[in-house]
Amino acid sequence: DIQMTQSPASLSASLGETVTIECRASEDIYNGLAWYQQKPGKSPQLLIYNANSLHTGVPSRFSGSGSGTQYSLKINSLQSEDVASYFCQQYYDYIFTFGSGTKLEIK
Amino acid sequence: EVQLVESGGGLVQPGRSLKLSCAASGFTFSDYNMAWVRQAPKKGLEWVATISYDGSSTYYRDSVKGRFTISRDNAKSTLYLQMDSLRSEDTATYYCARLLILRPAFDYWGQGVMVTVSS
Repeated sequence: DIQMTQSPASLSASLGETVTIECRASEDIYNGLAWYQQKPGKSPQLLIYNANSLHTGVPSRFSGSGSGTQYSLKINSLQSEDVASYFCQQYYDYIFTFGSGTKLEIK
Repeated sequence: EVQLVESGGGLVQPGRSLKLSCAASGFTFSDYNMAWVRQAPKKGLEWVATISYDGSSTYYRDSVKGRFTISRDNAKSTLYLQMDSLRSEDTATYYCARLLILRPAFDYWGQGVMVTVSS
């Protein structure tokens, strides 16, 4: 099975800053990569699919990029409501695998 | 408005069974592939199983193969997860999730239901 390595595990940034979270797949996943935001006590919410497509209703300060085995999520102009855990997820050969998550806090 | 509402969780002893349900509304249930995803306390997300829109195809993670069965009733717009031979490591919040059409991502999630496996 394909493994996903997500970094960093935690991140602290100031309001208005830009942050980047990365995921590396153990083999090429051909852009089958999604990103989710999970606020404390809530269900995950889809942010990005197909590596760089913004899901309906998601603010444009969120963006995804990458290809092959390396992918990233960028959050511009960090807002207080962005405090959450973020997970990447890959899909290949009918199997879904999530990254271990990044906990984002405000400095 | 799309809604997914799970039920059926609770405390169960190791080796016993439990069946989860997920009632869907606000969309044409029979058009969508569906899945179960779980999250152990304070841990990350873990995909459990997927079922095709018509129920003809199912897929499972290795650790639940032969113990869990995903199914659906399109007439009732309901997704199920039959969990047999439960183990302590199955303790988690179980989410029902809808898959985007032709895209491998989960666009709607239920609120989750807790399953605790303990003696």
